[in-house]
Amino acid sequence: GDSVTQMEGPVTLSEEAFLTINCTYTATGYPSLFWYVQYPGEGLQLLLKATKADDKGSNKGFEATYRKETTSFHLEKGSVQVSDSAVYFCALRGGGADGLTFGKGTHLIIQP
Amino acid sequence: EAGVTQSPTHLIKTRGQQATLRCSPISGHTSVYWYQQALGLGLQFLLWYDEGEERNRGNFPPRFSGRQFPNYSSELNVNALELEDSALYLCASSSFGGLDTGELFFGEGSRLTVL
Repeated sequence: GDSVTQMEGPVTLSEEAFLTINCTYTATGYPSLFWYVQYPGEGLQLLLKATKADDKGSNKGFEATYRKETTSFHLEKGSVQVSDSAVYFCALRGGGADGLTFGKGTHLIIQP
Repeated sequence: EAGVTQSPTHLIKTRGQQATLRCSPISGHTSVYWYQQALGLGLQFLLWYDEGEERNRGNFPPRFSGRQFPNYSSELNVNALELEDSALYLCASSSFGGLDTGELFFGEGSRLTVL
């Protein structure tokens, strides 16, 4: 079945550091890929998405490129802020009828 | 426009009791999804409802059940509660039965604690 693997946290960085959160997936066909963010005490919000190979999703300074050859969708940001502290989930929508398949989430902590 | 709303925010029950959680989707959305977010386990798919019918369920025992009402709101019922049912239960909605690009809109969740 479909699966998503992302780096375990917590990931702790200093403000203005470069961020990479790795995400790889297993799926049949050509899934759509997503990054969701969960701020403390809140539900999940869509951060960005890509629906086909080589697409780049971007939002709020974050970006991720759909790499079919490496089955990856790594999340990057050039300069993180304290307000980026949250849990980040990589997800895919494959051919199954169960919405999205999520990774376990990566807890990001940004220190001033 | 109102987002996905869930109630109650918090719920405390004891082992063996039943819990009922409720969800109202975004206006115009016909699909409702339920996920369980237990500590350290990420989000596990529970149930998908669309147009009033259960379309799919995840790998959970039958004591997890639910329904979708004609106004597309939904409730999740958990019978014979066990300690490991303690988790944040997230509801999400989408349009077109999730057959678009797949974006789901999430509520803030209901935290169930089983003592």
